[in-house]
Amino acid sequence: GDQVEQSPSALSLHEGTDSALRCNFTTTMRSVQWFRQNSRGSLISLFYLASGTKENGRLKSAFDSKERRYSTLHIRDAQLEDSGTYFCAAEGAGYQNFYFGKGTSLTVIP
Amino acid sequence: GALVYQYPRRTICKSGTSMRMECQAVGFQATSVAWYRQSPQKTFELIALSTVNSAIKYEQNFTQEKFPISHPNLSFSSMTVLNAYLEDRGLYLCGARAGGNSDYTFGSGTRLLVI
Repeated sequence: GDQVEQSPSALSLHEGTDSALRCNFTTTMRSVQWFRQNSRGSLISLFYLASGTKENGRLKSAFDSKERRYSTLHIRDAQLEDSGTYFCAAEGAGYQNFYFGKGTSLTVIP
Repeated sequence: GALVYQYPRRTICKSGTSMRMECQAVGFQATSVAWYRQSPQKTFELIALSTVNSAIKYEQNFTQEKFPISHPNLSFSSMTVLNAYLEDRGLYLCGARAGGNSDYTFGSGTRLLVI
């Protein structure tokens, strides 16, 4: 079964609003990485976390340090250029494989 | 910074023929390389994980006989799709990392069309 459950699958936001994406893991993960995929298919890394939180501009990500069973990506003051498909990917304990969620298609509307 | 160059960007092959794609890591040592296929529905499937000096580990539904991978050094990896058929269509991506505590950097993908 899927080890990484990402939600929501699609999201529409008005410009200037805030929202959050979430990935739940069916097992304990040692690290998580968030990406945005552009229209040409390239995966742009946003954050890599082994624990705690990281922030970059209007984006902030957190990785549950206790249970290590979920991660979130917060988008603040959404802009039109934030539109795209966002993916989380996580690595199981013991340097196992790196599995992707099914993505969130984000549309920011004026 | 860390970059991964992947080529070709796009390829069309006739059904039953084979094609090879390559990834070159620049700015870091690609200790591990993971190969994925993204379906038209955007789902990522892990094909295999290759770590230098270790056996390449293929996921269920993917075999070395169909997707042979080479990872001869810390900057290069290639994967071939042998006897490609319609179900092999998709975007193939390689991701590389320097070690177990580092992030993955992905190539821009190879889009495979089979006719």
